[in-house]
Amino acid sequence: EAGVTQSPTHLIKTRGQQATLRCSPISGHTSVYWYQQALGLGLQFLLWYDEGEERNRGNFPPRFSGRQFPNYSSELNVNALELEDSALYLCASSFPWESNQPQHFGDGTRLSIL
Amino acid sequence: AQSVTQPDIHITVSEGASLELRCNYSYGATPYLFWYVQSPGQGLQLLLKYFSGDTLVQGIKGFEAEFKRSQSSFNLRKPSVHWSDAAEYFCAVGAGGGATNKLIFGTGTLLAVQP
Repeated sequence: EAGVTQSPTHLIKTRGQQATLRCSPISGHTSVYWYQQALGLGLQFLLWYDEGEERNRGNFPPRFSGRQFPNYSSELNVNALELEDSALYLCASSFPWESNQPQHFGDGTRLSIL
Repeated sequence: AQSVTQPDIHITVSEGASLELRCNYSYGATPYLFWYVQSPGQGLQLLLKYFSGDTLVQGIKGFEAEFKRSQSSFNLRKPSVHWSDAAEYFCAVGAGGGATNKLIFGTGTLLAVQP
């Protein structure tokens, strides 16, 4: 069974640009989560999508946004990139939220801002 | 507010020795608790989870954890460490009263294994 897949593996951008990160969940999972792992800040929750709807959002500015498609894959968009956005962005997926099952993570996209 | 504390930033053990990684949580109700492991350059792998019931839970790779409500702790243990266990370990609590919704992570414990 394929795990959570994220693309690209690495992404290099400059300040002010926009970045798009993609995530495909495990088959059968309908919930997708995004986390940021920045040096010195640890793992922080960004967004949670379930059945195409945003269910919860972490303490991040509006330039961090995303969406979930009908096939349950997801995109994270970061606009007006800043140096401090450099981090590993992890996507996780789980079965529907009512099932109360654990989140399973992909290997992440490393975003570097020059 | 919900929070997770991992008091040990870095631990070094000898191969074959026992291991205990500490985790303390702050949560108003019965918590959903997890341990994840992260190898360099990779994502997080779920080691084990506690939802309810038996307070001693078994996970993958020979790990176990014990939930102690009176101490607000969920320590991870392994009787004999292998060199391949060197990685960073994260304890997490499920906010919102479940495994879904956001996870709140501790700051992690980096485990080094000496030959």
